[in-house]
Amino acid sequence: EAGVAQSPRYKIIEKRQSVAFWCNPISGHATLYWYQQILGQGPKLLIQFQNNGVVDDSQLPKDRFSAERLKGVDSTLKIQPAKLEDSAVYLCASSLAGGRPDTQYFGPGTRLTVL
Amino acid sequence: AQSVAQPEDQVNVAEGNPLTVKCTYSVSGNPYLFWYVQYPNRGLQFLLKYITGDNLVKGSYGFEAEFNKSQTSFHLKKPSALVSDSALYFCAVRGSNDYKLSFGAGTTVTVRA
Repeated sequence: EAGVAQSPRYKIIEKRQSVAFWCNPISGHATLYWYQQILGQGPKLLIQFQNNGVVDDSQLPKDRFSAERLKGVDSTLKIQPAKLEDSAVYLCASSLAGGRPDTQYFGPGTRLTVL
Repeated sequence: AQSVAQPEDQVNVAEGNPLTVKCTYSVSGNPYLFWYVQYPNRGLQFLLKYITGDNLVKGSYGFEAEFNKSQTSFHLKKPSALVSDSALYFCAVRGSNDYKLSFGAGTTVTVRA
């Protein structure tokens, strides 16, 4: 079974530029998550989708971050404009149905460096 | 609000010795508890979870964890550590009243040969 795919793996941009990350979840997984992992910290949930609807985006900085999952499969996360503090690893995860006991499976992440 | 504490930033053990990584949690409702491992430049890899039932949960690569409700703990254990177990370990919790999975800050495990 193929795992969660993410691209690019690494991205370096200057502040105020924009950037986009892509995620393809495990086939058949209805729920998709984007996390931000700052160095030395655990992952923090940015947004959770159930199919193509948003379940939770309470920790997404909506003035600069946006995410979509138009067809209920793959998803993109965008940052515009980027700030220095956005330097982090952005992890995508998916789970079967989003129920509370569900296991989330993570992709390899995208390491973003903002200069 | 739910939270996870991993009181040790680092754990160092010799190969062949027992390994324990500590985790305590705070959550409303019943807890769903998870352990993940992260190798350098890799995503998080699922090890095991506790949902209900037997307090001792067995997972991948010889790891197990014990749920202790009275102490609100979910410590990860391995009877005999390997050098290849050296990695960053995360404990996570989700309450029965919450959709969000909350992670601890992580514990770096180093197993020396």
